[in-house]
Amino acid sequence: KAGVTQTPRYLIKTRGQQVTLSCSPISGHRSVSWYQQTPGQGLQFLFEYFSETQRNKGNFPGRFSGRQFSNSRSEMNVSTLELGDSALYLCASRTGERTGIAEAFFGQGTRLTVV
Amino acid sequence: AQSVAQPEDQVNVAEGNPLTVKCTYSVSGNPYLFWYVQYPNRGLQFLLKYITGDNLVKGSYGFEAEFNKSQTSFHLKKPSALVSDSALYFCAVRDGNYGQNFVFGPGTRLSVLP
Repeated sequence: KAGVTQTPRYLIKTRGQQVTLSCSPISGHRSVSWYQQTPGQGLQFLFEYFSETQRNKGNFPGRFSGRQFSNSRSEMNVSTLELGDSALYLCASRTGERTGIAEAFFGQGTRLTVV
Repeated sequence: AQSVAQPEDQVNVAEGNPLTVKCTYSVSGNPYLFWYVQYPNRGLQFLLKYITGDNLVKGSYGFEAEFNKSQTSFHLKKPSALVSDSALYFCAVRDGNYGQNFVFGPGTRLSVLP
């Protein structure tokens, strides 16, 4: 069974640009969540999508957005990049049932560097 | 609001000795607790979870964790550490009565010395 796939693995962007990251969840998983990992702030929740709808959202500015397609694949977009957006962005998939007991499976992440 | 504390940034243990990585949590509802491990330049790998039932939970790679409701703790343990266990460990909580996302602790770096 294939795991969670994130592309690309590494990105270098310039301040002010925008970037799109992609995540393909495990087959059959309908929930995709995104997390930002930085040395200073640790792991922070960005948002969760379930059945093409945003179900939950963290405390990030509107420059961070996402979407989910009918095949459960998800993309996140960051516009007007800032140096502080440099981070490892992790995608997690799970079955999506609302009880919350299912563990999430993480991709290897996309390392974004803003210069 | 949910929160997780991992009071030790770094834990050093000799190979073959038992290890403990500590975690305490705060939630308003029923806690769903998880442990994940992260190796360099990798995503997080699931180790184990506590939802309900027995307070001692067994997981992958010989790890186990003990849920203590009165102390609001969920410490990760392994009877005999391996050098290959050296990694970054994260405790996470999800409030069963509220939200769906994880709140992660800051992480504890485990170094197992040969």
